[in-house]
Amino acid sequence: NAGVTQTPKFQVLKTGQSMTLQCAQDMNHNSMYWYRQDPGMGLRLIYYSASEGTTDKGEVPNGYNVSRLNKREFSLRLESAAPSQTSVYFCASSEIKGAGQHFGDGTRLSIL
Amino acid sequence: RKEVEQDPGPFNVPEGATVAFNCTYSNSASQSFFWYRQDCRKEPKLLMSVYSSGNEDGRFTAQLNRASQYISLLIRDSKLSDSATYLCVVGSFMIYNQGGKLIFGQGTELSVKP
Repeated sequence: NAGVTQTPKFQVLKTGQSMTLQCAQDMNHNSMYWYRQDPGMGLRLIYYSASEGTTDKGEVPNGYNVSRLNKREFSLRLESAAPSQTSVYFCASSEIKGAGQHFGDGTRLSIL
Repeated sequence: RKEVEQDPGPFNVPEGATVAFNCTYSNSASQSFFWYRQDCRKEPKLLMSVYSSGNEDGRFTAQLNRASQYISLLIRDSKLSDSATYLCVVGSFMIYNQGGKLIFGQGTELSVKP
C-alpha cells in the first residue's frame, strides 16, 4: 500500500544544475500537488494539477516547471537550481481538488 | 494578513491534559477544512476533516464556526505520542477560478511531557 511515492529522498546539487523530482500515486486520485516547506514558512504550493492534462501555478512557481505525465505521475523540474531552492519538497494527491490530501515522504534538497 | 493563522506555540503540557488549538481564516468562501499532524521531519498526515456540525474522533474534537471564520481542535487526555505540529488547513473546491487549493497554516507545536 504505497500511497504517494517520491524520489529521490535526498539530493545535493550545485548552483545551476538541473534535476527532476518524481512523484507517483497509486490511489487513482485526480489531483496532485507540489509543495515546499521551509522553516518558519509552513507549506507553500508550487504547482498543482487538478486533473490529468492540466497544471496550474501555485503560490511560489518561479524557478520550477511541472509535468503531469499521466494520472499517476506528477514531476517537478528545477531547470537551474539556486541556493534559495534549498528546501523540503512534498508531493501530495487528492481525489478532487480542495479535498484532503495524502503526502509523500518528502525530498530533502540542498543546493550549494 | 495571512490566509490561515495559528498560534505557533509551543504548547507544553503534561500527559493527561486537555489542550485546544485555534485557527482563523480570511477567505469567507472557503469550503473545506482539515487538521493535519506533522511529526518532526516527516510528511503531514491528515488527522481529521472539520464539519460545520463539529466532529469527534476518539480523543480529538474539531469545531468550525463559519460566522467567525474560526476552527478549533481539542485533544483530551493527551498522550506522549500526540507530540507533533498540528496544521490547520483551509480549502475551496467549488470555486474553480481559485483552483481549489488548500492553504496550510504554519502549524502549532505540541509537546506532551511525562
